[in-house]
Amino acid sequence: ETGVTQTPRHLVMGMTNKKSLKCEQHLGHNAMYWYKQSAKKPLELMFVYNFKEQTENNSVPSRFSPECPNSSHLFLHLHTLQPEDSALYLCASSQAGLARTYEQYFGPGTRLTVT
Amino acid sequence: DQQVKQNSPSLSVQEGRISILNCDYTNSMFDYFLWYKKYPAEGPTFLISISSIKDKNEDGRFTVFLNKSAKHLSLHIVPSQPGDSAVYFCAASEGYGNKLVFGAGTILRVKS
Repeated sequence: ETGVTQTPRHLVMGMTNKKSLKCEQHLGHNAMYWYKQSAKKPLELMFVYNFKEQTENNSVPSRFSPECPNSSHLFLHLHTLQPEDSALYLCASSQAGLARTYEQYFGPGTRLTVT
Repeated sequence: DQQVKQNSPSLSVQEGRISILNCDYTNSMFDYFLWYKKYPAEGPTFLISISSIKDKNEDGRFTVFLNKSAKHLSLHIVPSQPGDSAVYFCAASEGYGNKLVFGAGTILRVKS
């Protein structure tokens, strides 16, 4: 596997379900990100992890819970979601931006539908 | 309020001609700008970037121009190819930390 992978690619869940999205990067990066893309809206940054530590939570509701066990893996745990949470969830990775901004490399995304 | 705006939702260009995609920003503290391309069912792919200390950066068929006084950047693709048909996103960041702010995207269609 190369680049950034995400599983599952598609997910349908009810509002009472609990599910998790998984992201893995094979690029040797030390920063990882979760983004949300709703229809006809810009990508919205949700969470940033640098060296496994969360450095940014962009006012995301607590029904979204990220986990970064190591620099290569990132999870997004979902529980009691709302229909408006239906969107494309994208994971990305990059070198940690400690002194400058680095380009981010994205996975293919998980298309989430909340029923 | 959107800090990065791509005011053209779509653009149609003939193969071989120039494609010009535009992006405006409001935050004068942004100092690094990137362009991404996205095909359906795939994640965005990094294309080209430019630091605020430059006004032009070129990579093959892709050139990004930055006009800091106008808070405007553009991506030129010459010559355009049908495989360039995709959604193009402009993104910007301030200082370090890798917090990218994205525009809503422009759909480019290159007709053969």
